[in-house]
Amino acid sequence: DQQVKQNSPSLSVQEGRISILNCDYTNSMFDYFLWYKKYPAEGPTFLISISSIKDKNEDGRFTVFLNKSAKHLSLHIVPSQPGDSAVYFCAASANSGNTGKLIFGQGTTLQVKP
Amino acid sequence: DSGVTQTPKHLITATGQRVTLRCSPRSGDLSVYWYQQSLDQGLQFLIQYYNGEERAKGNILERFSAQQFPDLHSELNLSSLELGDSALYFCASSEQGYEQFFGPGTRLTVL
Repeated sequence: DQQVKQNSPSLSVQEGRISILNCDYTNSMFDYFLWYKKYPAEGPTFLISISSIKDKNEDGRFTVFLNKSAKHLSLHIVPSQPGDSAVYFCAASANSGNTGKLIFGQGTTLQVKP
Repeated sequence: DSGVTQTPKHLITATGQRVTLRCSPRSGDLSVYWYQQSLDQGLQFLIQYYNGEERAKGNILERFSAQQFPDLHSELNLSSLELGDSALYFCASSEQGYEQFFGPGTRLTVL
């Protein structure tokens, strides 16, 4: 049972345009969502997060939107840069009992073309 | 650089063997998490330790075990290795709360 899903394995965009990465979840107990970026041969790098009590969080070129009724979140990157090319993972946490374990999606490979 | 270190970076061993992966968390972080990333799989949570105590368990096999020492570094022990255990193993740490910071991973190859 995959509780966090990223249905698009890959995405290709032109430099300077917007990249939109999507993530769906099924567990209504999730109260925090995170996006990580991963380059080959490196560990995931934390990008941005959002609490379930918010619907938007912005940090520079990165914005995460949360639609709780649809159990959907998205990461917008504007403008996209070639250095953004990486695998992006969506993750969720219920943090029940302060365990903090993260449930990850399968990842979306973003390619930004110059 | 996340501040989380993992050793070794690569490990090649044979089926039936036992290996130990090591993780040092960021300075001040009390929680350590272990994740496994197999081919074509997302990251799967294995186990969490908080200040030396086991806090949560995921789909960790009985052949696998972990511990966190008084200096807060952690070790993941994998025994009776099978071909299917070949994967990337990541350690992450956090102070408290949700954001976890990942190490560079250990690539385990079981031949």
